[in-house]
Amino acid sequence: AQSVTQPDARVTVSEGASLQLRCKYSYSGTPYLFWYVQYPRQGLQLLLKYYSGDPVVQGVNGFEAEFSKSNSSFHLRKASVHWSDSAVYFCVLSAATGGNNKLTFGQGTVLSVIP
Amino acid sequence: GPKVLQIPSHQIIDMGQMVTLNCDPVSNHLYFYWYKQILGQQMEFLVNFYNGKVMEKSKLFKDQFSVERPDGSYFTLKIQPTALEDSAVYFCASSFGTFSGNTLYFGEGSRLIVV
Repeated sequence: AQSVTQPDARVTVSEGASLQLRCKYSYSGTPYLFWYVQYPRQGLQLLLKYYSGDPVVQGVNGFEAEFSKSNSSFHLRKASVHWSDSAVYFCVLSAATGGNNKLTFGQGTVLSVIP
Repeated sequence: GPKVLQIPSHQIIDMGQMVTLNCDPVSNHLYFYWYKQILGQQMEFLVNFYNGKVMEKSKLFKDQFSVERPDGSYFTLKIQPTALEDSAVYFCASSFGTFSGNTLYFGEGSRLIVV
């Protein structure tokens, strides 16, 4: 069985500050890992994804994430947040084998950026 | 970017009645999904669908649930009869392929309230 844990339900930061949203996963095989963002009254949008290669992946809007197999983590980072980054962020895992694109979601982290 | 449209955005329905949630997937996508998110809980996989057939469904996909995409029109989720525990936000998604690294594109969700 696979699982994803986002230990922080809510994070509040000031505009211009750096950000890290944590994600831990549990999966015995090779995972595909994603970060999705949901802005108010919109659908989920893909920020970035990782399967192999460089453990640091770049995404849209200055976001990046780092995969760590030893720590079973895939934390999301941004050097300087903007108020428009306020949204719900989901860490997501897809099993690399078995196909069918069945995604396992974390609980989500609500990010509030204070102007 | 590609958009998935969901209709309705909100629906309130009496317990025991039938409801149909509609999804207009990305035009060249071949695989379709429904996910369910109960308020305050994780988003969970319900079902995926390809070439007119259900490929995989979770234990949340009760006998009262059905999906279809007649003649390439809307991809629908029908619940008949509805129960109180069906109250949730239902997200439709689509992808071009089923390879686990394929990006899923999500709609904004249909909020269903069963009273």
